[in-house]
Amino acid sequence: ETGVTQTPRHLVMGMTNKKSLKCEQHLGHNAMYWYKQSAKKPLELMFVYSLEERVENNSVPSRFSPECPNSSHLFLHLHTLQPEDSALYLCASSQRRAGDWPDTQYFGPGTRLTVL
Amino acid sequence: RKEVEQDPGPFNVPEGATVAFNCTYSNSASQSFFWYRQDCRKEPKLLMSVYSSGNEDGRFTAQLNRASQYISLLIRDSKLSDSATYLCVVNTGGFKTIFGAGTRLFVKA
Repeated sequence: ETGVTQTPRHLVMGMTNKKSLKCEQHLGHNAMYWYKQSAKKPLELMFVYSLEERVENNSVPSRFSPECPNSSHLFLHLHTLQPEDSALYLCASSQRRAGDWPDTQYFGPGTRLTVL
Repeated sequence: RKEVEQDPGPFNVPEGATVAFNCTYSNSASQSFFWYRQDCRKEPKLLMSVYSSGNEDGRFTAQLNRASQYISLLIRDSKLSDSATYLCVVNTGGFKTIFGAGTRLFVKA
């Protein structure tokens, strides 16, 4: 399936590096999401972009910075990360309907990030 | 108390068995409920939405009990390919979607 793609699939970086994760959705959706999945923990919503509105989880550190240039592309810029940031980063998209009802989210394959 | 709680398992069942998972949620204002499936080292995929009246999709049946604030997933005639982690997902309005930590299922031949 190629509905939601993510690159790179694997990333190893040092704490002083700057890198970016990329997500692209080919489903014509109008909302995109970044999630973090750590081992044995639930998915944690980090950021949402929908109809040019941005929603963020206030617990996400500022070393994570999202960018959404258009409805099909989403980036997560990383800088000065910590080893505890090592996790699977999942991108998802959905079609937000009128009335703000929740909708089915389609996930990309994720980027497995290791911070040394 | 966690917003969404699931028994982590693992559930080890033989092929052909019937297995049931429960999930409890803490916010009585929760509006929508889903079950997702996540295979090892793969992304989550929607298995089914959960409707107030209960719903069935082949071997899978989902139930919602708003009074007791839990949802359930029943899998009949388990297949080896059902082995996965099942995620309970609750939306409390807008973008506030909460994922449970998941219940692991192993179906053995």
